[in-house]
Amino acid sequence: AQSVTQPDIHITVSEGASLELRCNYSYGATPYLFWYVQSPGQGLQLLLKYFSGDTLVQGIKGFEAEFKRSQSSFNLRKPSVHWSDAAEYFCAVGVGPSYDKVIFGPGTSLSVIP
Amino acid sequence: DTGVSQDPRHKITKRGQNVTFRCDPISEHNRLYWYRQTLGQGPEFLTYFQNEAQLEKSRLLSDRFSAERPKGSFSTLEIQRTEQGDSAMYLCASSLTGAQGEKLFFGSGTQLSVL
Repeated sequence: AQSVTQPDIHITVSEGASLELRCNYSYGATPYLFWYVQSPGQGLQLLLKYFSGDTLVQGIKGFEAEFKRSQSSFNLRKPSVHWSDAAEYFCAVGVGPSYDKVIFGPGTSLSVIP
Repeated sequence: DTGVSQDPRHKITKRGQNVTFRCDPISEHNRLYWYRQTLGQGPEFLTYFQNEAQLEKSRLLSDRFSAERPKGSFSTLEIQRTEQGDSAMYLCASSLTGAQGEKLFFGSGTQLSVL
């Protein structure tokens, strides 16, 4: 069955430090991959997505993610974190014949120390 | 683009009562999704529609849950005989089907508390 794991439940980083959030997926074919962010009191917002082509994808707010087929991973990165990046981050996969059933991982909570 | 709206924002009910939530997607979006989210967890897929057709319902979902999208626009999610375990945030999302996959636009959710 398809699934998404995010090994880190919670991460704390200092403002200005680099960030990497891990995501692993389980799916028989190459899925469509997404990262969403949920800020306190806000709805879920798409950061970036991958379907094919260049394995390094750029998103909004300075985020990027790299797809590694051999590791079934899609890790999210940001070179310098801002205090406003504190939020819950969810990796997701689009599966099914049309890749339209979107399954979310459990999330990683990010805290930023000023 | 007025966004995805959900009503009500909050619902408190007693165990055993029925509740119904409404979702109005972005007007031109043909896909509509329902998710459930509990504290500290990711959104759990419940069901989704293309226009008025229900494409899939989660096998983990009890028969007490039913969703409709009768005219391919708004959708309702009904929970019958609510239980305390149904307490959660119920999220609706919509998207426009395309060749490049789905970008989901989420509503703010309906917070259900079952006493």
